[in-house]
Amino acid sequence: QKEVEQNSGPLSVPEGAIASLNCTYSDRGSQSFFWYRQYSGKSPELIMFIYSNGDKEDGRFTAQLNKASQYVSLLIRDSQPSDSATYLCAVKGSSASKIIFGSGTRLSIRP
Amino acid sequence: NAGVMQNPRHLVRRRGQEARLRCSPMKGHSHVYWYRQLPEEGLKFMVYLQKENIIDESGMPKERFSAEFPKEGPSILRIQQVVRGDSAAYFCASSPDRGPSPLHFGNGTRLTVT
Repeated sequence: QKEVEQNSGPLSVPEGAIASLNCTYSDRGSQSFFWYRQYSGKSPELIMFIYSNGDKEDGRFTAQLNKASQYVSLLIRDSQPSDSATYLCAVKGSSASKIIFGSGTRLSIRP
Repeated sequence: NAGVMQNPRHLVRRRGQEARLRCSPMKGHSHVYWYRQLPEEGLKFMVYLQKENIIDESGMPKERFSAEFPKEGPSILRIQQVVRGDSAAYFCASSPDRGPSPLHFGNGTRLTVT
């Protein structure tokens, strides 16, 4: 079982709609969760991080964490063509542990 | 520029040569991660270092690869006797501590082995 799993996509969403990206992780002791966006040929850039169960909102982005289900998601409201990218979920266990990335979900926003 | 600095941006090596990739973390950051990314694939963890200390090297191949982060100067990822399969993008990221802080990435080094 992979440590961090994401659906590779591509996920196609019409412009203006909500894009929903999902991620599951295997280490029940994981404490920190991150979403990164990566455009083709570029480096990952941080979108959001979440540490506690529940929702965290930042502009058009909402991260959701459910530790009991070992599940973290990212919602993108009012999707724009510029949101088309690969979205990487990352998970950190204990304070001294490495940060593991999922393989990413390719998101395509169609006009 | 206070961001994570990686150099070179592009590196071409012939099979059997050595590749040295350098990473200077963000100002105030003392923890460095190295990741490898093949085309159309995710980021694969390689090594996690603190100054003068390797915290986790579980993702490093057992042979030819080594990493260091000295007290002074950048972190170095060294690949000896490169093979074509080493061709990839290598990303460095830094964080200020061992805690839950997110990583900040450099622009990466694209290694091509001919």
